[in-house]
Amino acid sequence: DAKTTQPNSMESNEEEPVHLPCNHSTISGTDYIHWYRQLPSQGPEYVIHGLTSNVNNRMASLAIAEDRKSSTLILHRATLRDAAVYYCILRDLIQGAQKLVFGQGTRLTINP
Amino acid sequence: EPEVTQTPSHQVTQMGQEVILRCVPISNHLYFYWYRQILGQKVEFLVSFYNNEISEKSEIFDDQFSVERPDGSNFTLKIRSTKLEDSAMYFCASSLNRDTASKETQYFGPGTRLLVL
Repeated sequence: DAKTTQPNSMESNEEEPVHLPCNHSTISGTDYIHWYRQLPSQGPEYVIHGLTSNVNNRMASLAIAEDRKSSTLILHRATLRDAAVYYCILRDLIQGAQKLVFGQGTRLTINP
Repeated sequence: EPEVTQTPSHQVTQMGQEVILRCVPISNHLYFYWYRQILGQKVEFLVSFYNNEISEKSEIFDDQFSVERPDGSNFTLKIRSTKLEDSAMYFCASSLNRDTASKETQYFGPGTRLLVL
């Protein structure tokens, strides 16, 4: 699996937007960019994924650079419940169902 | 919303004992996974299972580990002779299929915290 690089930690305030960066300079043309998060004492949870175009869902937005070497997960209005470790994961889905390879992720702290 | 469930939530066992961790994946899912997370460390893949056989396993998944889908709903992880270093949180996950990126989303259970003394 291609490697991703994320900051170890970030901090933001409640009700403000949060931009979580991820670098993946060795991404291949068939790699999808997935984001998962892990709330305290819980299992990982799917957030969003994309290939080339920016994506929006009810949880977040994903902005993908034109060269696909980086992406940003955007939480538009963070709440205390968004405090979690966020993982950026590349997955080559041409090869079919595959394991998720988790890095250390970014630990997001939300201040009230 | 359908969810993956795991039992027990906590298990304490003596070194050398056998443990079985149980999972009920989402009912129409076809792919099943076990991951583990040692305290303070990364989530690590153990094994994936499809069509009643292991499709991939990691180096961690040695002969002490086995998986089984004994009926249409349960998916189990057995550790035959537990070691101190098996103490971790074990997560089960399931996914629908691998046809498209969206269906490949893995849904995780809440985990079983295993403590080996």
